[in-house]
Amino acid sequence: AQSVTQLGSHVSVSEGALVLLRCNYSSSVPPYLFWYVQYPNQGLQLLLKYTTGATLVKGINGFEAEFKKSETSFHLTKPSAHMSDAAEYFCAVSDESGSQGNLIFGKGTKLSVKP
Amino acid sequence: DGGITQSPKYLFRKEGQNVTLSCEQNLNHDAMYWYRQDPGQGLRLIYYSQIVNDFQKGDIAEGYSVSREKKESFPLTVTSAQKNPTAFYLCASSSRADEQFFGPGTRLTVL
Repeated sequence: AQSVTQLGSHVSVSEGALVLLRCNYSSSVPPYLFWYVQYPNQGLQLLLKYTTGATLVKGINGFEAEFKKSETSFHLTKPSAHMSDAAEYFCAVSDESGSQGNLIFGKGTKLSVKP
Repeated sequence: DGGITQSPKYLFRKEGQNVTLSCEQNLNHDAMYWYRQDPGQGLRLIYYSQIVNDFQKGDIAEGYSVSREKKESFPLTVTSAQKNPTAFYLCASSSRADEQFFGPGTRLTVL
């Protein structure tokens, strides 16, 4: 069965510093991979996704992620953190069991940005 | 504007009561989902429906029920059998295997 592991439930960075949120997955088939962002008391918004093709994926708000099959990773990065990036981030992988469209979510990483 | 609406935003329930959370989408998506979110536990799938008049249990279906009579609507009922219903509930929809769109959520509190 697939799983998603997000290393670090809380990450804190200074404004202007690099943001790195880690995500590792397990899947026996080529996965679809997603990063979502959630602001307090709101729904999830898609940041970026990898389905096929180029392994470096660019998303909204200056975020990007790289699919590394050999490392089963899909880490999220942003070169320079902004105060507005403070939120919770979720990595997700497509469900390979045949239920098309179902996603398996990690437990989330809460990002804090210090001034 | 196309999107997903959930109502109410906040809901309070007395112990022993059933309550129904609304989810409507105008994205013409076939599939719809209900998740429960608790602090530090990510999103857990309650029920999903990939077509009208059909739905399947997710990982934590006990104490919940759903219906899918219309493509646009997927209401979730939290029954009195759900022992710990206080949580944030999220509805989502998708048209294919590559993305889910989420509603703004309903926060349910048991008094």
